[in-house]
Amino acid sequence: ETGVTQTPRHLVMGMTNKKSLKCEQHLGHNAMYWYKQSAKKPLELMFVYSLEERVENNSVPSRFSPECPNSSHLFLHLHTLQPEDSALYLCASSQDLGPYEQYFGPGTRLTVT
Amino acid sequence: GENVEQHPSTLSVQEGDSAVIKCTYSDSASNYFPWYKQELGKRPQLIIDIRSNVGEKKDQRIAVTLNKTAKHFSLHITETQPEDSAVYFCAAMRSSSGDKLTFGTGTRLAVRP
Repeated sequence: ETGVTQTPRHLVMGMTNKKSLKCEQHLGHNAMYWYKQSAKKPLELMFVYSLEERVENNSVPSRFSPECPNSSHLFLHLHTLQPEDSALYLCASSQDLGPYEQYFGPGTRLTVT
Repeated sequence: GENVEQHPSTLSVQEGDSAVIKCTYSDSASNYFPWYKQELGKRPQLIIDIRSNVGEKKDQRIAVTLNKTAKHFSLHITETQPEDSAVYFCAAMRSSSGDKLTFGTGTRLAVRP
C-alpha cells in the first residue's frame, strides 16, 4: 500500500493497557497530523508535526503522547485511556504546513473497554 | 478560534438531481476552504478546494462557491450518481497563522438509484 499507512487497523484495549498507533507516509511530506473521528462530531485535530517538531497540541489529555522520530513516521502512544476515547484515529500528511491537500491514512478503529 | 458549521447533516437525492451542502465560518481571516469526501469505511479524500481570491471553482460535476462577505461557502454536485453517496466534510483554514484545518460536522449524502 502506498501513500499513508496506519497500523493496527483495529485495536481493543483495556483502560489499564499501554499501546501505540503507528503511521507511515511514503509521500516525502514534511507535515504530519493526528485526528480523532467520533460519530456525529467534526474531525478533531490532536497533534501537528512539521519536520519532526510538534507545532500544535490541541489541548489533548496527557494519556495521548505523540512521537515523531523522523518525517516519515508518526506514533501515538496510549495509556490509561477512558471508554470515551473509543474512536477512529486518523493520521494524515501534507507537503508542508498550510493550505495543502492532506492525505489521510485508513485509520485505526480503537475500542477502549 | 475558527468555528465551522455545516448543513444539512443528512441529504437524500434522486440519482441525476443536484445536491448542495452549505458551510459557514466565523474567522473572517480564513482564506482556504477544502472539501473532503469520505466513503463508508474509507479515508477522507480531498475532492475540491477554493482560496479566498476566487468566488467559484468547478471540476466536472463538482463546484464550490465562496461568499467572503457572508462567510459561507457551498459544495454543489450536479447529475448525482450512486457513487457520490458518502459523507462530505467542509473545512476552513487561516493559512497565514496556525495552519490548522477546522472541519465541519459532515453531511451524509445518499443518492437513490
